[in-house]
Amino acid sequence: EVQLLESGGDLVQPGGSLRLSCAASGFTFSSYAMSWVRQAPGKGLEWFSAIIGSGGSTYYADSVKGRFTISRDNSKNTLYLQMNSLRAEDTAVYYCAKDFSNWDLLFDYWGQGTLVTVSS
Amino acid sequence: EVVMTQSPATLSVSPGERATLSCRASQTVNSKLAWYQQKPGQAPSLLIYAASTRATGIPARFSGSGSGTEFTLTISSLQSEDFALYYCQQYNVWPPGFGGGTKVEIK
Repeated sequence: EVQLLESGGDLVQPGGSLRLSCAASGFTFSSYAMSWVRQAPGKGLEWFSAIIGSGGSTYYADSVKGRFTISRDNSKNTLYLQMNSLRAEDTAVYYCAKDFSNWDLLFDYWGQGTLVTVSS
Repeated sequence: EVVMTQSPATLSVSPGERATLSCRASQTVNSKLAWYQQKPGQAPSLLIYAASTRATGIPARFSGSGSGTEFTLTISSLQSEDFALYYCQQYNVWPPGFGGGTKVEIK
């Protein structure tokens, strides 16, 4: 059974940093691209970052480029998101999502989400 | 960037009735269109991909159609567990993008 478990969400001040983790199990982690998708309170879904299975290539939406870094440790079956220079508009539930295949940005499994609140 | 527009924003339907949700893309996405269901406090779950293919375990009352820029999700006979939010997503053009969602509520 595929499982994705995010952790690391917290209350952080504007300008602060946070690191999210997503522990994966039930599939060959290194064979699949992974993404982060977020959902602001009461709002829709926003894809903002992806990483291919090997970790060799990463992709970002303009909204987070230069501030967020996606990475993965295939030996630990874990996906990461380093978030710097956080803003109030980054407040959201952050989901990790597994790619349907190695690279199509179609998401067949999602974690339960972790809440990041940026506020002073 | 492809803009995905869903309509209506809210759909009020009685149990057992048919629900028809629409999704429009600002440019062609071919058939690379997915539908997700999200219940309160839960993560989204994949319902339909490639515009019309049901994901594993999805009941036959869910069906998708369309190609290019116009897509439809139909729930043939609404069950109590189907009242939820539904999002479409295109994965044909970078970056991938979601529609704003349609809430299906009990009439």
